Amino acid sequence: AQSVSQHNHHVILSEAASLELGCNYSYGGTVNLFWYVQYPGQHLQLLLKYFSGDPLVKGIKGFEAEFIKSKFSFNLRKPSVQWSDTAEYFCAVCSGGYQKVTFGTGTKLQVIP
Amino acid sequence: DAGVIQSPRHEVTEMGQEVTLRCKPISGHDYLFWYRQTMMRGLELLIYFNNNVPIDDSGMPEDRFSAKMPNASFSTLKIQPSEPRDSAVYFCASSPPTVPTGELFFGEGSRLTVL
Repeated sequence: AQSVSQHNHHVILSEAASLELGCNYSYGGTVNLFWYVQYPGQHLQLLLKYFSGDPLVKGIKGFEAEFIKSKFSFNLRKPSVQWSDTAEYFCAVCSGGYQKVTFGTGTKLQVIP
Repeated sequence: DAGVIQSPRHEVTEMGQEVTLRCKPISGHDYLFWYRQTMMRGLELLIYFNNNVPIDDSGMPEDRFSAKMPNASFSTLKIQPSEPRDSAVYFCASSPPTVPTGELFFGEGSRLTVL
């Protein structure tokens, strides 16, 4: 069965600081990888996705993620965070050919002005 | 385009009562998912449907939970009888019949409080 680990449960940063959130998955086959964001009181929205090709994926609002197959990782990055990035971030994996998506436990990001 | 629509947005009920949550997926999407979100367990997949047929219900906690999808535009998640530990936010999501798979479109969620 596929599983997803997010190592940071709560991250506090000052505005303009750089962000990297870790995500590791366990599944040996082909995977599709996602980062979703949940702003306070709202539903989950897709931030970015990786299906194939260039392992460096760019998403909305300046976020990017890098797929490293050998490390089973899909870390999320942003060079300079803003207060509006305060939210919970979820890594998710879907094994190839199936629609069952497994989510990590989430990382709460708090950006201090 | 209308997104995934869930109702009610908030539900407060007493232990033992029946709760029904409703979901209308995005038109044309043939996958529908029910997730439960709690502080302790995060996002858990309860059940998902493809073309109105339940594909995987292994995440349904126990017999008190049931889900149906009578047609392509409507699904329900029912809890009977409800218990305080069922308090959570229940999300419905849908996805289109395209490949590759896995991209989900979520509704606003139904926040359930069982007293």
